[in-house]
Amino acid sequence: GDSVTQMEGPVTLSEEAFLTINCTYTATGYPSLFWYVQYPGEGLQLLLKATKADDKGSNKGFEATYRKETTSFHLEKGSVQVSDSAVYFCALMGLIGKLTFGQGTILTVHP
Amino acid sequence: GAVVSQHPSWVICKSGTSVKIECRSLDFQATTMFWYRQFPKQSLMLMATSNEGSKATYEQGVEKDKFLINHASLTLSTLTVTSAHPEDSSFYICRDGGTDTQYFGPGTRLTVL
Repeated sequence: GDSVTQMEGPVTLSEEAFLTINCTYTATGYPSLFWYVQYPGEGLQLLLKATKADDKGSNKGFEATYRKETTSFHLEKGSVQVSDSAVYFCALMGLIGKLTFGQGTILTVHP
Repeated sequence: GAVVSQHPSWVICKSGTSVKIECRSLDFQATTMFWYRQFPKQSLMLMATSNEGSKATYEQGVEKDKFLINHASLTLSTLTVTSAHPEDSSFYICRDGGTDTQYFGPGTRLTVL
């Protein structure tokens, strides 16, 4: 079945540091890939997505590229802010709109 | 603004009681809704797929008699946790069934004493 594996957290960074959160997947066919963010006390929000190989999703300074050859969709941001502190989930959408989530990575950014 | 709402946002109940959680699509019609649960510091696990006018489809390991799902209209899906026990305490989240966009409800925090 479909599965998503994220790098273990938590991740703690200083403000303006570079962020990478690794994500790899296993799926049948060609899934769409997503990153979601969950701020403390809030629901999930779509951060970015990519629907086919080599697509790059981007939003709010975050980027991720759909790499079919390595089955990866790593999340990156060049300079994190304190307000980026949240839990980040990688996910894929397979058949009939079902989303499969990674385990989530807690990011804490210190001033 | 929010396009999917959930009610209540949190509920505390005694063991053995039943709790109903509502999920409403506000600006669109949803023929399909997905229900997830999220344990503290863990990922979202799909419980079931709610289909308007037909029976829900449950994921393996989810008790359909314990987690009753009703999707009676195109804007409302409900999840009822029957005879709740402390191990049912979790964060329950619904999502619309769209493939191009995914709108999550804000979630319902259930605590069973």
